[in-house]
Amino acid sequence: NSKVIQTPRYLVKGQGQKAKMRCIPEKGHPVVFWYQQNKNNEFKFLINFQNQEVLQQIDMTEKRFSAECPSNSPCSLEIQSSEAGDSALYLCASSLDTNTLYFGAGTRLSVL
Amino acid sequence: GEQVEQRPPHLSVREGDSAFIICTYTDSATAYFYWYKQEPGAGLQLLMSVFSNVDRKEEQGLTVLLNKKDKRLSLNLTAAHPGDSAVYFCAVNSNTGYQNFYFGKGTSLTVIP
Repeated sequence: NSKVIQTPRYLVKGQGQKAKMRCIPEKGHPVVFWYQQNKNNEFKFLINFQNQEVLQQIDMTEKRFSAECPSNSPCSLEIQSSEAGDSALYLCASSLDTNTLYFGAGTRLSVL
Repeated sequence: GEQVEQRPPHLSVREGDSAFIICTYTDSATAYFYWYKQEPGAGLQLLMSVFSNVDRKEEQGLTVLLNKKDKRLSLNLTAAHPGDSAVYFCAVNSNTGYQNFYFGKGTSLTVIP
């Protein structure tokens, strides 16, 4: 069983609504990645953190998402205004470094 | 950037047979290689990680081969059973660009009892 905990497992939102998901990385892992997996099994990198600092993020994340990894609290990823094209499985992964990723079960977002 | 091709997209084998999946990549600087398993409604479970100084790794009925010359990574499941039915993904970590990990598009494996 994965030690990376993602909540909620399922999220249903209307277009224009905010959608927030959380991730508790594996204990002791300072690096957290977020990926979007679409129905064609394509993985889109969204953002990664080392401790509380953003390492890298794509333009879409910067413009439309809000993400953080505060100390002693779950990491979070929030879409500010959901669009139909955001419907996907959002995967959080943690790592001791950036070499091997351990994934959570994901949050499946449906935007109606 | 890195390009990862995975085949076949779908694979059906009988229980007890082997299942073979292959990935090719383009960046010769790629150093880390992974196979993940995704069951329906679940996240990615790490099956095996291989570093570039390893050509062959075997664990619990799984064999990973790495051919750096041909830039090819393969996974062989020996004696497949129905519980192995899932989608399998290869992934590589090339440490180039800003998104380190590149994934194949998956192989949907069905093991027929």
